[in-house]
Amino acid sequence: DTAVSQTPKYLVTQMGNDKSIKCEQNLGHDTMYWYKQDSKKFLKIMFSYNNKELIINETVPNRFSPKSPDKAHLNLHINSLELGDSAVYFCASRPTSGGYNEQFFGPGTRLTVL
Amino acid sequence: AQSVTQPDIHITVSEGASLELRCNYSYGATPYLFWYVQSPGQGLQLLLKYFSGDTLVQGIKGFEAEFKRSQSSFNLRKPSVHWSDAAEYFCAVGSGRGSTLGRLYFGRGTQLTVWP
Repeated sequence: DTAVSQTPKYLVTQMGNDKSIKCEQNLGHDTMYWYKQDSKKFLKIMFSYNNKELIINETVPNRFSPKSPDKAHLNLHINSLELGDSAVYFCASRPTSGGYNEQFFGPGTRLTVL
Repeated sequence: AQSVTQPDIHITVSEGASLELRCNYSYGATPYLFWYVQSPGQGLQLLLKYFSGDTLVQGIKGFEAEFKRSQSSFNLRKPSVHWSDAAEYFCAVGSGRGSTLGRLYFGRGTQLTVWP
């Protein structure tokens, strides 16, 4: 009955590698987000998709590429990983009908770049 | 520009004591306000939200928050803290307009430690 799920939960990799994080929501929401939480716990939005279309793209290096194959999935691919990419990445989703609604967050993926 | 300030980085209280976590926001229109809690190694869970109406909102786990427009504040309170409340607490303001609809701006969080 998981609402927003992410895989993997932990990801340890070497600098220069390419990795992907997957997110799925079974809430029927049509808007999904990626957030980055840095070592000081600060949360910052990276991307947002609405019905598979990119609607928010913050000043994120183009090594980061989100992909939404359908409304229930939003994946994050990261090329040429750098030490500074080490963080916890959270996926979230929100319905956009019926007025303003809160976001529901996944459990996070802790990425460690060595 | 939208922003959220949580002045207290770390708060320590004794179990059973009352709690107030401060949150001030900057937003040009009617704000949508949230408090989320993050337990160690976990995702964010919504405690409560304010969209409109009664300025005192009740949330889960016995928490409440009061929206004060004149002070641009949305402080979180709990009358009696339990050890399980130890966590990181985030205040957030949501954008309600146009292309930024639904975007959340988070404060830097307040870490709550509870002494037995």
